[in-house]
Amino acid sequence: LAKTTQPISMDSYEGQEVNITCSHNNIATNDYITWYQQFPSQGPRFIIQGYKTKVTNEVASLFIPADRKSSTLSLPRVSLSDTAVYYCLVGGLIAGRRALTFGSGTRLQVQP
Amino acid sequence: EAGVTQSPTHLIKTRGQQATLRCSPISGHTSVYWYQQALGLGLQFLLWYDEGEERNRGNFPPRFSGRQFPNYSSELNVNALELEDSALYLCASAGGFSPYEQYFGPGTRLTVT
Repeated sequence: LAKTTQPISMDSYEGQEVNITCSHNNIATNDYITWYQQFPSQGPRFIIQGYKTKVTNEVASLFIPADRKSSTLSLPRVSLSDTAVYYCLVGGLIAGRRALTFGSGTRLQVQP
Repeated sequence: EAGVTQSPTHLIKTRGQQATLRCSPISGHTSVYWYQQALGLGLQFLLWYDEGEERNRGNFPPRFSGRQFPNYSSELNVNALELEDSALYLCASAGGFSPYEQYFGPGTRLTVT
């Protein structure tokens, strides 16, 4: 089962680009990497998902190097409303059973 | 389109009692996942149901159990409640094409006194 490691917290200012990295050294071949955002007292919200290289959507980009042992969530030009906890999820199938490991989360604080 | 719903919002129980939490997935989703989130901590995977069957469970004791009904809604039961079971219990649903793109409900806050 993949173990994930994320920085506990990060600080940024409005308008800056923020990169949050998740390490998953023993990721399996069929594991996908997914990132979620969570505000206090709410359930996590899906941001982006990828398997390899780069994925971009309207809110973020996800960079995954060739060895897939880490992934970086990139948030362009953050605003105060991006203050939240960000989780990476590594998930795949082990012997036909889906195994999921959430990272411990990175608390992002965006300052004006 | 309605999102994932969970009930009740809050639940207060005493040690030794049983708690039942409910989840309704997004229409068309057949998978339901349950997670436990203790205060200030990350998400711990509890259970995964798909097409009415338990497909996997996390590292939790057997007193955590559940089921999925024919309409894909799900129930989480926690027996013999302990103080450390106090947490936010989150349910998420996903469709077959993208099983890791999970949509979460607002959660049930369980407090054990």
